[in-house]
Amino acid sequence: SQQGEEDPQALSIQEGENATMNCSYKTSINNLQWYRQNSGRGLVHLILIRSNEREKHSGRLRVTLDTSKKSSSLLITASRAADTASYFCATDAVETGGGNKLTFGTGTQLKVEL
Amino acid sequence: DTAVSQTPKYLVTQMGNDKSIKCEQNLGHDTMYWYKQDSKKFLKIMFSYNNKELIINETVPNRFSPKSPDKAHLNLHINSLELGDSAVYFCASSQATTLAGSTDTQYFGPGTRLTVL
Repeated sequence: SQQGEEDPQALSIQEGENATMNCSYKTSINNLQWYRQNSGRGLVHLILIRSNEREKHSGRLRVTLDTSKKSSSLLITASRAADTASYFCATDAVETGGGNKLTFGTGTQLKVEL
Repeated sequence: DTAVSQTPKYLVTQMGNDKSIKCEQNLGHDTMYWYKQDSKKFLKIMFSYNNKELIINETVPNRFSPKSPDKAHLNLHINSLELGDSAVYFCASSQATTLAGSTDTQYFGPGTRLTVL
């Protein structure tokens, strides 16, 4: 079953504003990752946060993780039109017999308007 | 210089046909994946290979058969295509996958948009 669900499904903001996306998941994780997908393109990794971390920064990105609530948030500060994309959270799960896999959320479609 | 490449980018075919999608990565990664993204953008893993060995095989019809001739290549062959197979298929790779510990960052190809008529 689907691991992550993201909220909101769609978000429209003005350039310069901050954008916050939330992700909830159901089971214990080793790490949570955020990916961006531009229209018609593959996914691009943004940031990885491990289960023993609570907050991580990368440039204009800030990710938080609350394992007690099984939730994460992605904050994009001072958004730009080029940030327009779909954003996905992904969690890992150790497979019995070997191998790990990422389970992706439903995604948030962000539109940043000029 | 493309890290993960897929061919073809677009594939339009009739129901019942057999088709293949090829994937190559030049990152030196040990693990490769196939994902299916449906029209609602839901992305689901299908298969994963680690050093040419199948390690993840999700519940997909046996019409789908992955083949890994070497660790840099993972191809996907689909027999008897059905309308419901229409989707975007993504190949991805990562450095390693371990029995204990976490999944590494995955690098995705540009996707293959398959349309079955």
